[in-house]
Amino acid sequence: DVKVTQSSRYLVKRTGEKVFLECVQDMDHENMFWYRQDPGLGLRLIYFSYDVKMKEKGDIPEGYSVSREKKERFSLILESASTNQTSMYLCASSLFSLRAKNIQYFGAGTRLSVL
Amino acid sequence: TQLLEQSPQFLSIQEGENLTVYCNSSSVFSSLQWYRQEPGEGPVLLVTVVTGGEVKKLKRLTFQFGDARKDSSLHITAAQPGDTGLYLCAGVKRAAGNKLTFGGGTRVLVKP
Repeated sequence: DVKVTQSSRYLVKRTGEKVFLECVQDMDHENMFWYRQDPGLGLRLIYFSYDVKMKEKGDIPEGYSVSREKKERFSLILESASTNQTSMYLCASSLFSLRAKNIQYFGAGTRLSVL
Repeated sequence: TQLLEQSPQFLSIQEGENLTVYCNSSSVFSSLQWYRQEPGEGPVLLVTVVTGGEVKKLKRLTFQFGDARKDSSLHITAAQPGDTGLYLCAGVKRAAGNKLTFGGGTRVLVKP
């Protein structure tokens, strides 16, 4: 069974703190993604990675960075958390494919509150 | 402005009624996916449509991809409380590699 695990379901942090969100997948997928989800805006892509040590900016990368040191793990880092980064964060993974299907498997999400 | 517009944003109906959710764009997609997300969980894929005009059925759910591959709809017949959730459409473009573009979502509430 496919599994994407996010380390925390809920996090509360203070403005200015450095925040790490961790994601692990057990499917040997090449691709991993970080999204944030806000009401009415759907999922917006922050960063993604096609391979170890490789990263590319998504649509809203400002204020975030990522790390992919191992194939199964993709970390999202908020260097200095701000209140506008309060959101639900979703991690996903998928197989690399030249076809159009690109099925993504999602974790359960981390709800981050920045006070 | 979102590339994929979903409507309505929220839908509340009684058990047994039918409903339709729309996903529209001015862009052409090579395929389109529909996900359902339940509270406290991540989105889970329901279906992928690839060919213009394609219709796929999943029990009481019918998915259609527009002829021009710019829009899609999800129709639920005789909705049940278990259909409650957030429905998200997501488009795939070959030129964008393996990235998905998500719509804003439609929150469906089916009351018993």
